[in-house]
Amino acid sequence: QKEVEQNSGPLSVPEGAIASLNCTYSDRGSQSFFWYRQYSGKSPELIMFIYSNGDKEDGRFTAQLNKASQYVSLLIRDSQPSDSATYLCAVTPSGGSYIPTFGRGTSLIVHP
Amino acid sequence: DTAVSQTPKYLVTQMGNDKSIKCEQNLGHDTMYWYKQDSKKFLKIMFSYNNKELIINETVPNRFSPKSPDKAHLNLHINSLELGDSAVYFCASSQVEATDTQYFGPGTRLTVL
Repeated sequence: QKEVEQNSGPLSVPEGAIASLNCTYSDRGSQSFFWYRQYSGKSPELIMFIYSNGDKEDGRFTAQLNKASQYVSLLIRDSQPSDSATYLCAVTPSGGSYIPTFGRGTSLIVHP
Repeated sequence: DTAVSQTPKYLVTQMGNDKSIKCEQNLGHDTMYWYKQDSKKFLKIMFSYNNKELIINETVPNRFSPKSPDKAHLNLHINSLELGDSAVYFCASSQVEATDTQYFGPGTRLTVL
């Protein structure tokens, strides 16, 4: 069974700090990796996606992918209270499937 | 413009009833999905559907059935509702490629009494 693991948290960081969210996956052939943010009572929305090893930056967000170690992470620089949410990692498996498997999410709390 | 919409937003019903949730997307996507998010926030795929195939998560009871009148709509019918069906149900859509983002609807909170 293909699994995506995340620490449920909560991860608590002070405003202005770097928040580091991690995700590991079991399917070595996984193709695509996504980070979604979900505010309480709302639907998930895409923050970033990454397909290749290395770093991808978008504003205050950086996604890091290491396929050899089977992990993907999300760094949030200069964390703001508005970043407080649950962050879901999603992985598209190998074998041609386009259906992602979601992790259980990590709850992030940014306190002033 | 709303990309993926669902109705109703809230649904409260008695055990044993049959209910439907509607979903529409105006993104021109080929594929639509239904997800169930339980009280622990775990988002689990129920169905994936495009004009070529329906993929069913084998853990989904056959009381749940997706119905797609056209490419832009995927409705979810639930028969003989049970207490354990209480959850938030999200509709989503994407293009068919594995690299494509999923766009989620606002969710339907189903409560079975």
